[in-house]
Amino acid sequence: DVKVTQSSRYLVKRTGEKVFLECVQDMDHENMFWYRQDPGLGLRLIYFSYDVKMKEKGDIPEGYSVSREKKERFSLILESASTNQTSMYLCASSFPSLGTQYFGPGTRLLVL
Amino acid sequence: QKEVEQNSGPLSVPEGAIASLNCTYSDRGSQSFFWYRQYSGKSPELIMFIYSNGDKEDGRFTAQLNKASQYVSLLIRDSQPSDSATYLCAVKGTSYDKVIFGPGTSLSVIP
Repeated sequence: DVKVTQSSRYLVKRTGEKVFLECVQDMDHENMFWYRQDPGLGLRLIYFSYDVKMKEKGDIPEGYSVSREKKERFSLILESASTNQTSMYLCASSFPSLGTQYFGPGTRLLVL
Repeated sequence: QKEVEQNSGPLSVPEGAIASLNCTYSDRGSQSFFWYRQYSGKSPELIMFIYSNGDKEDGRFTAQLNKASQYVSLLIRDSQPSDSATYLCAVKGTSYDKVIFGPGTSLSVIP
């Protein structure tokens, strides 16, 4: 069975804190993705990675960075959290070229 | 022009009816098309994918693709209250492995 897990379901952080969101997949997928989802704005791609140590900016990378040291793990980092980063964060993974993405359960982040 | 558009909701259908969800896309070179279902507060779940023109059926779900018209649809037969969710259309274009998601259509099946 396809499995993508995320480190937390809910997080509450203070403005200015450094925030780490972790995603792990057990399907040996090369591609991994981070999205955020906000009401009325849909799914927006933050970063994606197509191989270990490789990363590409998505549509809204500002204020975020990523790390992929191992194939199965993709981390999203908020260097200095701000209130406008309050959102649902979704991780996904896929094989190259097929395009079928499998999502983790999501992390709902609240920045106060 | 948005890359992937879906018919605006919310869409309400009575239980047992056919629900029809539509999606258009702008990248003529797109090759793969996906439908995801997302329940409130949950993550998207893949329900169908289609690569070739025509129809693809899976249980109560039928995906229809017309590449010439750049149109993909999802039909849900015998709609059930448990089908009430937001349905996301997703298109894999010519950019390397990126998938573009539509804004979603909210479906409500009324008992």
